[in-house]
Amino acid sequence: KAGVTQTPRYLIKTRGQQVTLSCSPISGHRSVSWYQQTPGQGLQFLFEYFSETQRNKGNFPGRFSGRQFSNSRSEMNVSTLELGDSALYLCASSLWTSGGGEQFFGPGTRLTVL
Amino acid sequence: AQTVTQSQPEMSVQEAETVTLSCTYDTSENNYYLFWYKQPPSRQMILVIRQEAYKQQNATENRFSVNFQKAAKSFSLKISDSQLGDTAMYFCAFMSSGNTGKLIFGQGTTLQVKP
Repeated sequence: KAGVTQTPRYLIKTRGQQVTLSCSPISGHRSVSWYQQTPGQGLQFLFEYFSETQRNKGNFPGRFSGRQFSNSRSEMNVSTLELGDSALYLCASSLWTSGGGEQFFGPGTRLTVL
Repeated sequence: AQTVTQSQPEMSVQEAETVTLSCTYDTSENNYYLFWYKQPPSRQMILVIRQEAYKQQNATENRFSVNFQKAAKSFSLKISDSQLGDTAMYFCAFMSSGNTGKLIFGQGTTLQVKP
């Protein structure tokens, strides 16, 4: 079974631009979570989608948004990019419909904001 | 709010020896889940072990085992017979039973296994 895939793997943008990252979960997984990883702040939860609905949200500004499609693929969008948005963005999918299940992570998208 | 603390930023161990990574957490909840994830230099995050808080028995997965002390809110990871492939950053993580999809991570411990 194919793992979680994320595209693109690397991205370079300039301040003020917007970016869209994509995540395809493992087949059959309906829960997709997004995380931001930086050296200073570590791993921080952005949001979680289940069956096209945002079910949980972290403490990030409204510039960070996401959505999920009927095939469970998910996208996250960051508008008006800031230098501090440079990070590794990880998505993870889970088979569990309630809390506590294992999350399977993708390889991440490395975003650099210049 | 729940927090997870890993007090050892870096550790090293000789190949074939045993090492223990520490993790403490803070929560007022009774039902939750704890995880150890491994992130090697390739950056792909991999689950090492999972513990359900309502189970008193410590979880084990081959060479990996945990010491779960619920009252002390401690969740340490023991790696036996360390191998070079165990070199990675290890993250302790917490998930509330009612907080779907949200893992709260510690700051991580970089483990180097030396030949």
